[in-house]
Amino acid sequence: AQSVTQPDIHITVSEGASLELRCNYSYGATPYLFWYVQSPGQGLQLLLKYFSGDTLVQGIKGFEAEFKRSQSSFNLRKPSVHWSDAAEYFCAVATGGGNKLTFGTGTQLKVEL
Amino acid sequence: KAGVTQTPRYLIKTRGQQVTLSCSPISGHRSVSWYQQTPGQGLQFLFEYFSETQRNKGNFPGRFSGRQFSNSRSEMNVSTLELGDSALYLCASSLAGTRGDTQYFGPGTRLTVL
Repeated sequence: AQSVTQPDIHITVSEGASLELRCNYSYGATPYLFWYVQSPGQGLQLLLKYFSGDTLVQGIKGFEAEFKRSQSSFNLRKPSVHWSDAAEYFCAVATGGGNKLTFGTGTQLKVEL
Repeated sequence: KAGVTQTPRYLIKTRGQQVTLSCSPISGHRSVSWYQQTPGQGLQFLFEYFSETQRNKGNFPGRFSGRQFSNSRSEMNVSTLELGDSALYLCASSLAGTRGDTQYFGPGTRLTVL
């Protein structure tokens, strides 16, 4: 069955430090992968997505993610975190017919000033 | 373009009642999906509608139902509410609903069941 694992429930980083959020997926075919961010009381905002081609994907707000098929991973990175990046981050894979998304459990990011 | 809108934003109901939530997709989008978000279960897919037809359904009881109108607006209904139905219900729209089509989420409806 398709699944997404985000091993880190909470991560705390200092403002200006680099960030890497981990995501591992299980899917038989070529995965369609997404990273979304959710601020408190808000819906989900798409940061970036990967379908095929270049394995390093650039997104909004200075985020990037690297697809590694051999490791079944799609980790999200940012070279320098800003206090406004504090939010919950979700990795997702598009599965099945239609456009169903299967989400990971999320990683709550706290940024220390 | 206006984003996905959901009404109402907050709802308080009691057990046994029923509730209807509404979602207006981005103009031109024909696919609408619904998700339930709870602290315990995370984000779970409810169902997807495309051109007024349910195309995909998640693993939820029959108390959860939905529909889509000819203007692509969608509603979801939960009958005989249970305490465990308390959640944030998110609606997402996409252009054609093909696999990988970007889904744009609304702010959600926070349902509290007492």
